[in-house]
Amino acid sequence: ETGVTQTPRHLVMGMTNKKSLKCEQHLGHNAMYWYKQSAKKPLELMFVYNFKEQTENNSVPSRFSPECPNSSHLFLHLHTLQPEDSALYLCASSLGASLNTGELFFGEGSRLTVL
Amino acid sequence: TQLLEQSPQFLSIQEGENLTVYCNSSSVFSSLQWYRQEPGEGPVLLVTVVTGGEVKKLKRLTFQFGDARKDSSLHITAAQPGDTGLYLCAGVESGNTPLVFGKGTRLSVIA
Repeated sequence: ETGVTQTPRHLVMGMTNKKSLKCEQHLGHNAMYWYKQSAKKPLELMFVYNFKEQTENNSVPSRFSPECPNSSHLFLHLHTLQPEDSALYLCASSLGASLNTGELFFGEGSRLTVL
Repeated sequence: TQLLEQSPQFLSIQEGENLTVYCNSSSVFSSLQWYRQEPGEGPVLLVTVVTGGEVKKLKRLTFQFGDARKDSSLHITAAQPGDTGLYLCAGVESGNTPLVFGKGTRLSVIA
């Protein structure tokens, strides 16, 4: 298996549920990212991890909680979400440690619907 | 205000036609990238431009970075249905500022 893999591809949850999104990269990259993609909005950077350390948190509400146990895995834990959190959540990785180094490799995304 | 403005927002053309989409800003970028996102997929990098006035070609796609490094264009010659997708530009202003994305141009090529 190669590239960036995200699971689940689709998730429907109620506002009181707790769920997690998973991302795994098989590219040997050092940096991993969570982006939110909503209709009619540009891609929004949520979190960045370099060498397992969180280096960026773009004022994301605490109901989103990231976890990076190692350079290859990234999780996004979801708790008491709101309907406006419904979106496509994209995971990406890059070779370099800085935010603007080279190419971002994206997963296929997890489509989240909050009822 | 949106840092990167992409136009048009939507474009629907017939197979074989040529088209140009634009990415504009009032800010100067040290580098700019173009991604294509197909339905149900994540974005895939097409090209990175770093020098003002630079032109890069990728088969039927021609990318240009403006002389002042504030804007970029993507021209597609003889569009094909496989070109259908969301075209995103993304830029880095300087130093360690994060990559910022435009809203994208959604292209539909009809056979």
